[in-house]
Amino acid sequence: EIVMTQSPATLSVSPGERATLSCRASQSVTSNLAWFQQIPGQAPRLLIYGASTRATGIPARFSGSGSGTEFTLTISSLQSEDFAVYYCQQYNNWPPLTFGGGTKVEIK
Amino acid sequence: EVQLVESGGGLVQPGGSLRLSCAASGFTGFTFSSSWMHWVRQGPGEGLAWVAHINNDGSRITYADSVKGRFTISRDNAKNTLYLQMHSLRAEDTAVYYCVRESHFWSGLLENWGQGTLVTVSS
Repeated sequence: EIVMTQSPATLSVSPGERATLSCRASQSVTSNLAWFQQIPGQAPRLLIYGASTRATGIPARFSGSGSGTEFTLTISSLQSEDFAVYYCQQYNNWPPLTFGGGTKVEIK
Repeated sequence: EVQLVESGGGLVQPGGSLRLSCAASGFTGFTFSSSWMHWVRQGPGEGLAWVAHINNDGSRITYADSVKGRFTISRDNAKNTLYLQMHSLRAEDTAVYYCVRESHFWSGLLENWGQGTLVTVSS
């Protein structure tokens, strides 16, 4: 099973600032890595797939990078609606599909 | 727009059973019967955990080790509905259960999510 590790667990950022979230895989997942956003009380929403491709309707301030075992999600200028929990997920080698533990982006 | 609506959650005693359903609609360019489907769960205050997967015609099914032998995923393509039959429920199965449609182009990419249904296992 591929273990996904996210850091930090919590990120405190002021509106308008840049947020950088990390995700590490225990073995290579090539570029088969997705990022999800979950607002409290809502279902997860697909943001990024293929490590760097934005899903339909996702604003350009969200960008993903990386390959192999190291990945980054960057939110260039945080808006109020971006304060949420973010999860990475690998789909390179499954079952099982595996998720990171999440990074909570909170208002500083 | 794809809509996935889960139902069947509730309070059940340890050792009990429950069947979840997921009604699918709004498919354009593809159909429910051509879609691979998953169940993913989220315990209270916890992260996401994959539970089970079924391919388009039900001929390929996989489970997380934590539910293998207790849960059964199935589908009725004539009714556009996905199911999760859960037996021998434990406190650690308490979670919101999400029905998820996999991308048509990327195996394992979880593209469309339902709003979830809450299962509480408690005496």
